[in-house]
Amino acid sequence: DAGVTQSPTHLIKTRGQQVTLRCSPKSGHDTVSWYQQALGQGPQFIFQYYEEEERQRGNFPDRFSGHQFPNYSSELNVNALLLGDSALYLCASSKGLVKTTQYFGPGTRLTVL
Amino acid sequence: AQSVTQPDIHITVSEGASLELRCNYSYGATPYLFWYVQSPGQGLQLLLKYFSGDTLVQGIKGFEAEFKRSQSSFNLRKPSVHWSDAAEYFCAVASRNYGGSQGNLIFGKGTKLSVKP
Repeated sequence: DAGVTQSPTHLIKTRGQQVTLRCSPKSGHDTVSWYQQALGQGPQFIFQYYEEEERQRGNFPDRFSGHQFPNYSSELNVNALLLGDSALYLCASSKGLVKTTQYFGPGTRLTVL
Repeated sequence: AQSVTQPDIHITVSEGASLELRCNYSYGATPYLFWYVQSPGQGLQLLLKYFSGDTLVQGIKGFEAEFKRSQSSFNLRKPSVHWSDAAEYFCAVASRNYGGSQGNLIFGKGTKLSVKP
C-alpha cells in the first residue's frame, strides 16, 4: 500500500518564477491538504481540497493556488516566487471530512534564489 | 484563534531515561489532538491521536499521551527512550466545526529531542 507521494523531491528556482508541486494521496484517501514548513518552524496550513474544490484556506496570498484531479491527486502552484517561499512543502492526505487523520508525504524542498 | 504551544524548543535525555514532551493548546472546546514525529529532511509520521473517549492514548513506538481538559494539555510520554527516538516532535490540533467536519491542522513549533548514549 503506497503512502503519500510527492514530486519533485528538490527544486531550485529564481525569484519571479513559477513552480508546480505534485502530490498523490494514499490509496483510499480523497482529501488533500498542503502545508508550508519553513526552517525551524512547524508546518503552516495552505489549503485543503476535497471533491476537486478548495474547502479551506490558510493565510496565504493568491500567488498560492491549487488543483485536485478526479483521481484525487493534487497540485500546488506558486507564482511570482519570493525568497521567503523557500521551504519544505508537505502534502497530507486523509479520507473524508469527519474525525480524519492526515498522513504526510516526504515533502518537496523548494529553494528560491 | 486556535494555537498550540510547545514550551520546550530542545530537550536532551539519556538513552533509557523517561521522556515527557509538553503541549498546550488554546481552543474554545475540545479539539482533535495529534502528535507527529519528523526526522531530518523527512515528512511527518503520526505517533498517536485523540478524538474522544479514554484520555490516555497509546501510539506507535511505545509512545503515549494524556489529554487533560482542565489544563488544555496533551503531553507525550515514553517510559524508556531509544537512540532512534532522536527527532523533532510536533503537537497539532484540529477544530471540530459546526456540522461535524474537521478543521485544518494547527501545529506547534516543535520540540527537538536529542538522546545521549
